[in-house]
Amino acid sequence: DVKVTQSSRYLVKRTGEKVFLECVQDMDHENMFWYRQDPGLGLRLIYFSYDVKMKEKGDIPEGYSVSREKKERFSLILESASTNQTSMYLCASSLDGNSNQPQHFGDGTRLSIL
Amino acid sequence: GNSVTQMEGPVTLSEEAFLTINCTYTATGYPSLFWYVQYPGEGLQLLLKATKADDKGSNKGFEATYRKETTSFHLEKGSVQVSDSAVYFCALSTGGYNKLIFGAGTRLAVHP
Repeated sequence: DVKVTQSSRYLVKRTGEKVFLECVQDMDHENMFWYRQDPGLGLRLIYFSYDVKMKEKGDIPEGYSVSREKKERFSLILESASTNQTSMYLCASSLDGNSNQPQHFGDGTRLSIL
Repeated sequence: GNSVTQMEGPVTLSEEAFLTINCTYTATGYPSLFWYVQYPGEGLQLLLKATKADDKGSNKGFEATYRKETTSFHLEKGSVQVSDSAVYFCALSTGGYNKLIFGAGTRLAVHP
């Protein structure tokens, strides 16, 4: 079974801090994704990566950056956290870019920015 | 652009009732369609999928049929249980890195 592990379940940070959210998958998947989940809006794609060091913007990349130095690890970075980035963040991976492939999700990180 | 619309919740049912959660989509090309479920405090899990027109996905008593003519992928279950209480998301992927587009989610509450 695919395991996607997010480093923290809950985080509380202050406005202006630099915040790192880490995600690791154990199935040698090529594609990895970061979403944020907000009530009534579903999941919205922030960034994704299709290979080591390769990244693409999703629908809401402003205020975020990502890093993928190793295939199994995909990090989301909030350069200067703001209160409107308080949300649930979900990481996912898929075997490749084929639309038939399901995405596998971590349990999420609930981030509060004070 | 591509989009997914699903019925607003919450949906509240008694145990053993019939469930339908409506999902319609707009997409260019031929998308794959998915239903994901999110139990309290957890991430999303794949419930079922269909990759071409008239395919039926099924799992754990849930079913959904890919209807190209009505651009729909409605989720159904004949007899719900309390343990089915969760948030259900309809999603599509049109390829090109396998990006998913999600509906807003429908919360289901099943009472004994």
